[in-house]
Amino acid sequence: GQNIDQPTEMTATEGAIVQINCTYQTSGFNGLFWYQQHAGEAPTFLSYNVLDGLEEKGRFSSFLSRSKGYSYLLLKELQMKDSASYLCAVRAGGYQKVTFGIGTKLQVIP
Amino acid sequence: ETGVTQTPRHLVMGMTNKKSLKCEQHLGHNAMYWYKQSAKKPLELMFVYSLEERVENNSVPSRFSPECPNSSHLFLHLHTLQPEDSALYLCASSPRTGREQYFGPGTRLTVT
Repeated sequence: GQNIDQPTEMTATEGAIVQINCTYQTSGFNGLFWYQQHAGEAPTFLSYNVLDGLEEKGRFSSFLSRSKGYSYLLLKELQMKDSASYLCAVRAGGYQKVTFGIGTKLQVIP
Repeated sequence: ETGVTQTPRHLVMGMTNKKSLKCEQHLGHNAMYWYKQSAKKPLELMFVYSLEERVENNSVPSRFSPECPNSSHLFLHLHTLQPEDSALYLCASSPRTGREQYFGPGTRLTVT
């Protein structure tokens, strides 16, 4: 099976930088996704990492270390609208099954 | 109309009712998914269809019955549900299985 861990809640200040961590234990790993989900809305795709290293996309960056089973999502220049849950999802297995973590609820405060 | 749509957005049903949830994707994707999202729990994958063939059935009770008549449409037929089945049911699609998924707005289901 798969085990995905991420903090349940975080608080950060508008304009600051926040790092949301995700650790996983799985066999046959071959990719990791980050999704954003605002309250009452559907998840939206943010990033995808399959190789080690940092992927940057505007204010958001995602990092992966396969050897450590570790990823983080970095949000820069935080805005109030970034208040949402951030879901880490791992792809593994022969038929590309994707399993989601419980999500980290981020609150951005003024 | 673009993206992934779901109907109805809200549904209240009794335990003896039969209802269906509908999902439609306009993205030309080949894979479609049903998820259940309950409070304080991870997204639970229920079913995966790839090119209209079911490739994943995650030990879901038989009171949930999926149907994928073509690559753009996905249904979830519901019958004799239990109160614990109350949740947000999300449909998603992806270019193929294992790729980034695009979610519909969900159906908020309440079983009374």
